[in-house]
Amino acid sequence: GAVVSQHPSWVICKSGTSVKIECRSLDFQATTMFWYRQFPKQSLMLMATSNEGSKATYEQGVEKDKFLINHASLTLSTLTVTSAHPEDSSFYICSAVGQSTETQYFGPGTRLLVL
Amino acid sequence: SQQGEEDPQALSIQEGENATMNCSYKTSINNLQWYRQNSGRGLVHLILIRSNEREKHSGRLRVTLDTSKKSSSLLITASRAADTASYFCATGSGYSTLTFGKGTMLLVSP
Repeated sequence: GAVVSQHPSWVICKSGTSVKIECRSLDFQATTMFWYRQFPKQSLMLMATSNEGSKATYEQGVEKDKFLINHASLTLSTLTVTSAHPEDSSFYICSAVGQSTETQYFGPGTRLLVL
Repeated sequence: SQQGEEDPQALSIQEGENATMNCSYKTSINNLQWYRQNSGRGLVHLILIRSNEREKHSGRLRVTLDTSKKSSSLLITASRAADTASYFCATGSGYSTLTFGKGTMLLVSP
C-alpha cells in the first residue's frame, strides 16, 4: 500500500514553455501533498505544501507565480512550472500523507531538463 | 536552513559488513525518519522513530534516537550490494512537515 506515482518521469522542454507534473496517491487519500526539488548530489528542498481544496503554502524563496500548485482532489496534485528556464532544470519529487499518519510516501520523481 | 546533518557524507564498505550513519539536528522534534534514495529515483521510507522512543528495529535496520544529544543513528547489519544508495534523515517538528539532511552516500561492494 501507500503508492505514489508521478507523471511524467522525465521531460525535456524549450526555454519559455510551461510544464505540468502530476502527483497521484494510488491507494490512499492524501490530505496533504508536498513538492520538493533536488539538485544533483544535494538534499531535498521543500518547495510547497498543498492541502486538498485550499491554496498551497510556499516556502520562502519559492515563487508562487512560477510554480503553480493545484490540489484539486484527495488523490491528485499538480505542479506547473511556468515559463521554464534552464535554471529550473532539476529533479522534482512529490510526497503524500494520508489521514492519521506522519509518514510521507514519495513519488519516483520527475526529471526536468530545460534547454 | 537544513535541520539534519548526516555523517559521514560517504561510506564505502564490503558486503556483509555493518554500516552506521549518524544524523544530528538542531531544534525540538516530534519524530525522526530515515529514507533511502537510489540514484535518480524517489525516496523509500525506512523507519520512523518518535521523540519518546530510544530505539527501533526493522529487519536489518536499527535506529537509535538520543534527544538529549539531538542525534540519531541508522545501523544496517550484514549489508548487501543492493543497499547501495543515499540515506537521508528527516526531522518532523510540525504537522507532517519534514526537513531533510544532506544525506550519506553508501557504497556496498560485492
